[in-house]
Amino acid sequence: NAGVMQNPRHLVRRRGQEARLRCSPMKGHSHVYWYRQLPEEGLKFMVYLQKENIIDESGMPKERFSAEFPKEGPSILRIQQVVRGDSAAYFCASSATSRGQAEEAFFGQGTRLTVV
Amino acid sequence: SQQGEEDPQALSIQEGENATMNCSYKTSINNLQWYRQNSGRGLVHLILIRSNEREKHSGRLRVTLDTSKKSSSLLITASRAADTASYFCATDSNYQLIWGAGTKLIIKP
Repeated sequence: NAGVMQNPRHLVRRRGQEARLRCSPMKGHSHVYWYRQLPEEGLKFMVYLQKENIIDESGMPKERFSAEFPKEGPSILRIQQVVRGDSAAYFCASSATSRGQAEEAFFGQGTRLTVV
Repeated sequence: SQQGEEDPQALSIQEGENATMNCSYKTSINNLQWYRQNSGRGLVHLILIRSNEREKHSGRLRVTLDTSKKSSSLLITASRAADTASYFCATDSNYQLIWGAGTKLIIKP
């Protein structure tokens, strides 16, 4: 049973381009959480999704950022018109239940986005 | 501001010594979790302690929780070089995990 899979592991984008980060949850998990980790900082919650629904996007920047978790396929975190300040590690976690984050959370290895 | 605040920010000890890291938080919690992150790698869940628990063990790890002081500590006994990593505490607020900035632990051979 593969763990949470994120790809790509490293992504380099020029300012103004779009970045797409993918997260495949663990088998049987229908809840996905995205976090951002800036250098030398802890993780900050961005968005919580269930299949086809955004449950909480209170941590998402109001502009340029969007997330989806379609019925089929991975969850996608999309950043449009990237700026240097978007450079960070983006982690995805999944759980089987909505209380997943109150229990052990399964994290992916992260995608390191560098904006040049 | 962050819910979890780890202390110290960095810790360097000799292999074989014990390492203690602390975490303080602001609001009431259901549980508190500790994670390890090796440089450039993902997060590994270490241990979860519920609000009604005071102490929990897992191998060389011992976690304590003092809800009256809103603090937790992570003790790693008999440290090894492989323990070199950043350690984060996370508290749950509904379905969000709120993270501290982490403690960087360096184990010197």
